[in-house]
Amino acid sequence: QSVLTQPPSVSGAPGQRVTISCTGTSSNIGANYDVHWYQQLPGTAPKVLIYDNNNRPSGVPDRFSGSKSGTSASLAISGLQAEDEADYYCQSYDSGLSGYVVFGGGTKLTVL
Amino acid sequence: VQLVESGGGVVQPGRSLRLSCAASGFTFSYYAIHWVRQAPGKGLEWVTGISYDGTNKYYADSVKGRFTISRDSSKNTVYIQMNSLRTEDTAVYYCARDLPTYGDGGYYAMSVWGQGTVVTVSS
Repeated sequence: QSVLTQPPSVSGAPGQRVTISCTGTSSNIGANYDVHWYQQLPGTAPKVLIYDNNNRPSGVPDRFSGSKSGTSASLAISGLQAEDEADYYCQSYDSGLSGYVVFGGGTKLTVL
Repeated sequence: VQLVESGGGVVQPGRSLRLSCAASGFTFSYYAIHWVRQAPGKGLEWVTGISYDGTNKYYADSVKGRFTISRDSSKNTVYIQMNSLRTEDTAVYYCARDLPTYGDGGYYAMSVWGQGTVVTVSS
């Protein structure tokens, strides 16, 4: 049971827009701690897609965007491409009993 | 900019293992380093982190008292000493670097990741 809750899977056709939610509590996202998003392609290490809620590292396409409100955050992917098929994880900080760094359980994106 | 893990392998329950994370291409002493693991077919789990200067160390409840993180600036390397290993510690172990400099605590994104090293705990 992850501290941050993500849907296990989402899917979309090429060119469509999908969103992945990340729901937390008052001790993490709701306490105004930043949310970060990672993409993990099969058999590879995670790669940061979005940091500090809505910032993209250089090299990440602007098709990827992040937002945060209240106790939740979202990752949006527009203009879906076949190479976007991967696992996506959100991450934040938790000031409660859960510890320090917390991850969501991950969402498998399938491009139809 | 690179992190390279080593030291993984197969070990019996109750035994110990030490993993290493060698850094290159950046000023090692400016950055906090974390270990994140991924059990087979499962999601990411943060394990432990150490501040940029080694002053502060943080552990997940699942490893507290069994794992110890340390860093050696002369070797640009972070270590994780894993004692009293359990079958549930079986995973790919990644080391990862904070995005900003002078990080302390788990607030920041991890912008550089190693390729991972596999730890299998089995009798």
